[in-house]
Amino acid sequence: GESVGLHLPTLSVQEGDNSIINCAYSNSASDYFIWYKQESGKGPQFIIDIRSNMDKRQGQRVTVLLNKTVKHLSLQIAATQPGDSAVYFCAENTGNQFYFGTGTSLTVIP
Amino acid sequence: EAGVAQSPRYKIIEKRQSVAFWCNPISGHATLYWYQQILGQGPKLLIQFQNNGVVDDSQLPKDRFSAERLKGVDSTLKIQPAKLEDSAVYLCASSFQGSSGNTIYFGEGSWLTVV
Repeated sequence: GESVGLHLPTLSVQEGDNSIINCAYSNSASDYFIWYKQESGKGPQFIIDIRSNMDKRQGQRVTVLLNKTVKHLSLQIAATQPGDSAVYFCAENTGNQFYFGTGTSLTVIP
Repeated sequence: EAGVAQSPRYKIIEKRQSVAFWCNPISGHATLYWYQQILGQGPKLLIQFQNNGVVDDSQLPKDRFSAERLKGVDSTLKIQPAKLEDSAVYLCASSFQGSSGNTIYFGEGSWLTVV
């Protein structure tokens, strides 16, 4: 099966600082990637996506970077807020399948 | 636009009992997925439907799990008999077409505890 791993299982940041969540993927044929946010007791919520023909994509306060050479994906959250506290998953799409990593738990310290 | 709807949200059953979860995908989404998420892990695909046909059920424990999507819209996931290790969140998701390059959207999940 596919393997999507995260470098850090937990991350704590001060409110207002920037957060960076990393993800390694294993299949060089993966061509589409999504970051999800999952708050306690809720389902995963789409944050941002990126296709393999891009290396950067920006949304509102979030940026996703894709480095296909080292098969690495990162999510940057600017000016992190308490409401950003959640578990963040990256998912890679290969063919007709999505594979999810274990997740990184982000805690924002007020 | 309404999201993916799931019910029940929470269920506690004893081992060897049965349980069924229902999902209504986003309107117009042909592809429907059931994922199992064990605490502290990422979602794992159980079964994927395209309209009312099964695309992938390779990770569905078929001796106890079954799922159907008879009319290509709503879906039901059943577990019978349940085991303690089935305690998890069962997430339904949908996408407009197949998952290749199409965002999948999740429901809030059905939380199962087997005691």
